[in-house]
Amino acid sequence: SAVISQKPSRDICQRGTSLTIQCQVDSQVTMMFWYRQQPGQSLTLIATANQGSEATYESGFVIDKFPISRPNLTFSTLTVSNMSPEDSSIYLCSVNPGGADTQYFGPGTRLTVL
Amino acid sequence: KQEVTQIPAALSVPEGENLVLNCSFTDSAIYNLQWFRQDPGKGLTSLLLIQSSQREQTSGRLNASLDKSSGRSTLYIAASQPGDSATYLCAVRFTGNQFYFGTGTSLTVIP
Repeated sequence: SAVISQKPSRDICQRGTSLTIQCQVDSQVTMMFWYRQQPGQSLTLIATANQGSEATYESGFVIDKFPISRPNLTFSTLTVSNMSPEDSSIYLCSVNPGGADTQYFGPGTRLTVL
Repeated sequence: KQEVTQIPAALSVPEGENLVLNCSFTDSAIYNLQWFRQDPGKGLTSLLLIQSSQREQTSGRLNASLDKSSGRSTLYIAASQPGDSATYLCAVRFTGNQFYFGTGTSLTVIP
């Protein structure tokens, strides 16, 4: 299993600003996943972050808007840049330790953009 | 394009009832399927994982089945309790490491 923490748990931001979300895992993992859950919607994968290489972004998501860092095997950050109200969502970090089939999720960061 | 659909979108039942949540997917070539629970303001909690070679998994009052040929999975909850109230999400892994999520079923169990 894995225990995942995220910071901040929630934030309210102004349009045009940026927010960096942190994800910390209690064990070393190869891949970390960032998801977005828009209001009333299900989860959508933003990108996969591997330590030591560039993140892989899904269709519709770009690095300039969602830059990701992965400095080591237990930590990652996701930045939401130049925010607009459409970015208001829950952002979740996820891992599958040891390549296990079970996916574990952090508690999420609830972002509101005014 | 892989798609995952869940019905119903919302369900309200009296305490003690047995209930079934449905999940359908467009591609039968799946790797595994996972059922999650999401409580308001919280992350996702894994309930059951079914590998493509399995037909069902059980944990306590929960039973999940998988029928790849028809592209369907069901989550059966026995003797529902108010504490079961949450949103239930179905996630399918086709290839690679990406999970495709359904839109969820919001369950309310009335005391």
